[in-house]
Amino acid sequence: AQRVTQPEKLLSVFKGAPVELKCNYSYSGSPELFWYVQYSRQRLQLLLRHISRESIKGFTADLNKGETSFHLKKPFAQEEDSAMYYCALQNTGTASKLTFGTGTRLQVTL
Amino acid sequence: EPEVTQTPSHQVTQMGQEVILRCVPISNHLYFYWYRQILGQKVEFLVSFYNNEISEKSEIFDDQFSVERPDGSNFTLKIRSTKLEDSAMYFCASSVGAGLSLADTQYFGPGTRLTVL
Repeated sequence: AQRVTQPEKLLSVFKGAPVELKCNYSYSGSPELFWYVQYSRQRLQLLLRHISRESIKGFTADLNKGETSFHLKKPFAQEEDSAMYYCALQNTGTASKLTFGTGTRLQVTL
Repeated sequence: EPEVTQTPSHQVTQMGQEVILRCVPISNHLYFYWYRQILGQKVEFLVSFYNNEISEKSEIFDDQFSVERPDGSNFTLKIRSTKLEDSAMYFCASSVGAGLSLADTQYFGPGTRLTVL
């Protein structure tokens, strides 16, 4: 069975400080990993995904197959980064469904 | 930019009543999904739908649930006899394809909050 674990419910950082949102996964095959973000009163939207290897809004995430992790990082947090962040996994076999973690609320304070 | 839309934004119903949640996927998308999120819990997959058929469903999606694409634009989730534990935020999503290319990203609607009393 596939599973995504986000150990932190809440991460509070100061503006300008580095951010790391942790995500670990459990899956027997070779998954595709995603980070979705939900800003206050807005819909879930894709932030980035492993296959794209892009940096979006200064965020990056590296898939570490040895540690089965896909941590989200940003060197300098901004106030507008405050949101709920969800890590998700999609299997590469049949694709389709996303398996989500429980989410981490990032709070960036002045 | 086209978006997935959902109606209503909030639905309150009595236990045992039928509810229909509506979604309008992005127009050129072919794959459709329903997810739900019980308050304080994770977003959970319910069902995926392609070519007028269910392609995958979770164990949550029992006989009380059904999906339909009644016309060329709407995608609906019906719960026949609601239970208290059906109270949740229901998200619709759509994608061009079900593969793993960048074009097959799932786009989510804003959700419908269902409250069962």
